[in-house]
Amino acid sequence: EVQLVESGGGLVQPGGSLRLSCAASGFTLSSYWMHWVRQAPGKGLVWVSRISNDGNSMTYADSVKGRFTFSRDSAKNTLYLQMNGLRAEDTAVYYCARAHISGSVDYWGQGTLVTVSS
Amino acid sequence: EIVLTQSPGSLSLSPGETATLSCRASQSVGSSSLGSSSLAWYKQKPGQAPRLLIYGAAIRATGIPDRFSGSGSGTDFTLTISRLEPEDFAVYYCQQYGGSPEVTFGQGTRLDIK
Repeated sequence: EVQLVESGGGLVQPGGSLRLSCAASGFTLSSYWMHWVRQAPGKGLVWVSRISNDGNSMTYADSVKGRFTFSRDSAKNTLYLQMNGLRAEDTAVYYCARAHISGSVDYWGQGTLVTVSS
Repeated sequence: EIVLTQSPGSLSLSPGETATLSCRASQSVGSSSLGSSSLAWYKQKPGQAPRLLIYGAAIRATGIPDRFSGSGSGTDFTLTISRLEPEDFAVYYCQQYGGSPEVTFGQGTRLDIK
């Protein structure tokens, strides 16, 4: 069974850092492209970042470029989102998600809440 | 950047009725490696992660009943939900995954019970 379990969310002050983790099971990360998608409270879905199946290519939304870094540990089958320079507008539930062969997203984690506030 | 605009913003219908949701792209949505439009639809209930319903504009994801159908190409896409059931009342998002940035979502359509 495919499962994605995020962790690492919490309350952080503006300008601070946080690292989110996403533990994958039921499949191998090296076979799939993966995404981070976020959702501010009461708002819609916003794409954040993508990593290729070989882990060599990452792309980012303009709003997080230069502040967020998407990486993975193949041995642990785990993804990471390092978030630096956090702003109030980064407050959201962060989902990791698996890309379907079509390019859409077929599996989502349950999400982890990041709150940026003083 | 491809901007997706969903309409209506909200819709109130009764169980058994048919819902028609629209998604319009600011420019043509490209085709995926599968040869179909790079447009997907998701359903999200409160407190839950989104669930894939349709990909390739018209292909139902695994386990999705045939009450859900997608259509369209280019810039105009539609999700139709027939014979609405209580569990269908949720927020629906369209998504394009063939442009730049790689992925964008519409703002969502809320489907409420009348």
